[in-house]
Amino acid sequence: GENVEQHPSTLSVQEGDSAVIKCTYSDSASNYFPWYKQELGKRPQLIIDIRSNVGEKKDQRIAVTLNKTAKHFSLHITETQPEDSAVYFCAASRRQGGKLIFGQGTELSVKP
Amino acid sequence: NAGVTQTPKFRILKIGQSMTLQCTQDMNHNYMYWYRQDPGMGLKLIYYSVGAGITDKGEVPNGYNVSRSTTEDFPLRLELAAPSQTSVYFCASSYHRGTNTGELFFGEGSRLTVL
Repeated sequence: GENVEQHPSTLSVQEGDSAVIKCTYSDSASNYFPWYKQELGKRPQLIIDIRSNVGEKKDQRIAVTLNKTAKHFSLHITETQPEDSAVYFCAASRRQGGKLIFGQGTELSVKP
Repeated sequence: NAGVTQTPKFRILKIGQSMTLQCTQDMNHNYMYWYRQDPGMGLKLIYYSVGAGITDKGEVPNGYNVSRSTTEDFPLRLELAAPSQTSVYFCASSYHRGTNTGELFFGEGSRLTVL
């Protein structure tokens, strides 16, 4: 069945450094790849997403890259700030499937 | 709009008891989902629905049942609660039309403990 693997499980960086989180997926029919951020005790919220017809997408300090051949995608956060500290989840789904499968999550800690 | 509303927020159950987690959304979303979140294990899909009257199993459906009689409501039923069902449960909804895959909007979560 579908599976999404996410690494690393924890990531600690200094404020101002960059952070990279990587995911791989098993279902070759997947073509929608969102990233969600979950602050402590809160609900997950979408921060950026990418579709398979695009290789890279940027939104201010965050960017996502997709390699469909290798079936992996990554989240890049530049100039990290303490408020970026949270758990980040990648996910994948098919075009019209609606079945969104999440990775295990990465706990990002940004130290001032 | 209230968005996605889940009740209750907290519940303690004894082994073998049953209960229903309620979920309602007022955004006229066609898709609805139930996820469970265990510490360090991410979000696991229990069941999802692509419209009223249609439900389908996710990754971890055993021990749960759902129904979708209206667009707004998607209750999750736990029969014969077990300690392994101790978790935080999130309901979510999204709007899909054609090839457009929409953002998931999550409820605040329901923390369930089975003792």
